[in-house]
Amino acid sequence: QSVLTQPPSVSGAPGQRVTISCTGSSSNIGAGYDVHWYQQLPGTAPKLLIYGNSNRPSGVPDRFSGSKSGTSASLAITGLQAEDEADYYCQSYDSSLSGSAVFGTGTKVTVL
Amino acid sequence: EVQLVESGGGLVQPGGSLRLSCAASGFTFSDHYMDWVRQAPGKGLEWVGRTRNKANSYTTEYAASVKGRFTISRDDSKNSLYLQMNSLKTEDTAVYYCAIVATILEDAFDIWGQGTMVTVSS
Repeated sequence: QSVLTQPPSVSGAPGQRVTISCTGSSSNIGAGYDVHWYQQLPGTAPKLLIYGNSNRPSGVPDRFSGSKSGTSASLAITGLQAEDEADYYCQSYDSSLSGSAVFGTGTKVTVL
Repeated sequence: EVQLVESGGGLVQPGGSLRLSCAASGFTFSDHYMDWVRQAPGKGLEWVGRTRNKANSYTTEYAASVKGRFTISRDDSKNSLYLQMNSLKTEDTAVYYCAIVATILEDAFDIWGQGTMVTVSS
């Protein structure tokens, strides 16, 4: 059972901005653990999209941005494109689980 | 090019065992923590466990759902990671991914393998 909660789905028209929330608690995001985001295109392995709350690995477009505040984090996609249609997962660590990694429930982004 | 290639998946009966492998190349395997993550059909990602590097005594951590049944090991001389799965249950059916834990990226999962499918069914 995931300890990080995300909306099941979000959608937007090409060019629009969408945001995905990731809600945790005082034992994970609120405890100061960093939040990472992954993109999973259909039928493929996840790919690191954002690390350390707001940093983009080399090659990730600047249309993707991340933020963190309190016990929550967010991923924003601006200038939505058709190729952004995918599942997105947040990930952090949890002190109540001996520092184990935890994933969000996942969000399906649909480009209308 | 950094690459992870999983193998060893297949069909196994409940209560059976299976050993997955993850062959690494293109980076200094021995320096890195390595994790296993799984994804049941149509479901989200679930962390399975971690092995740390030699400098951290190869210690391991496991998710509660697999603790006592699964064992993670590594052979740095072969650049390989393993997942020994015993007492398998139908709920262990999933695609299993190995992933590099990038300490320089705040312990994010930097590179993932393509995954190997494990089906537990009678």
